[in-house]
Amino acid sequence: QVQLQESGPGLVKPSETLSLTCTVSGGSISSYYWSWIRQPAGKGLEWIGRIYTSGSTNYNPSLKSRVTMSVDTSKNQFSLKLSSVTAADTAVYYCSLDSGGNGGWFDPWGQGTLVTVSS
Amino acid sequence: QSVLTQPPSASGTPGQRVTISCSGSSSNIGSNTVNWYQQLPGTAPKLLIYSNNQRPSGVPDRFSGSKSGTSASLAISGLQSEDEADYYCAAWDDSLNGFWVFGGGTKLTVL
Repeated sequence: QVQLQESGPGLVKPSETLSLTCTVSGGSISSYYWSWIRQPAGKGLEWIGRIYTSGSTNYNPSLKSRVTMSVDTSKNQFSLKLSSVTAADTAVYYCSLDSGGNGGWFDPWGQGTLVTVSS
Repeated sequence: QSVLTQPPSASGTPGQRVTISCSGSSSNIGSNTVNWYQQLPGTAPKLLIYSNNQRPSGVPDRFSGSKSGTSASLAISGLQSEDEADYYCAAWDDSLNGFWVFGGGTKLTVL
């Protein structure tokens, strides 16, 4: 079955850009939506955005100005860039298969990767 | 402040039935289906209920979901110690260009 694995720097300096990649194995990345979700320590889940393999995106309105997502079907990967980070962006970042549309769900999830924003 | 409203905590004793509520609005729960996720300590969330009341393969039938209007509920019957976890509801919100919204999460304690 499909498995997801997040990767990227665990430490990012304030004002810089956070970059993460999610590698999909066990299936093709094509023709699906792929989402990023984050969770600050001890807090709830926050959806960041999603990308379809055509490149179409939806972003959380509260983060839209700082988020860019991309997809590389040749590598079965999709990526997240979050610019101008602050300590408030410190969180565990998850990637997930988003079954799409407005009646979908997130399944499966990656194990998550902790990103700390600190100088 | 989460778009969907859940109680921060719930509790029950083994064997009991507990319910967790999730309140939204016409642009999210009122228009779209609701999903529930279970997050055990130190792990990634896992899909528990999708499309209001459907269980993925492997989820015990002790877990059930329902939706009415702009609210949804998760019920857990025959409560077990391994059910102690955080539970999150989620729905698509049709406002702006559309985006996913989550509840703030409910920490379930098995006494």
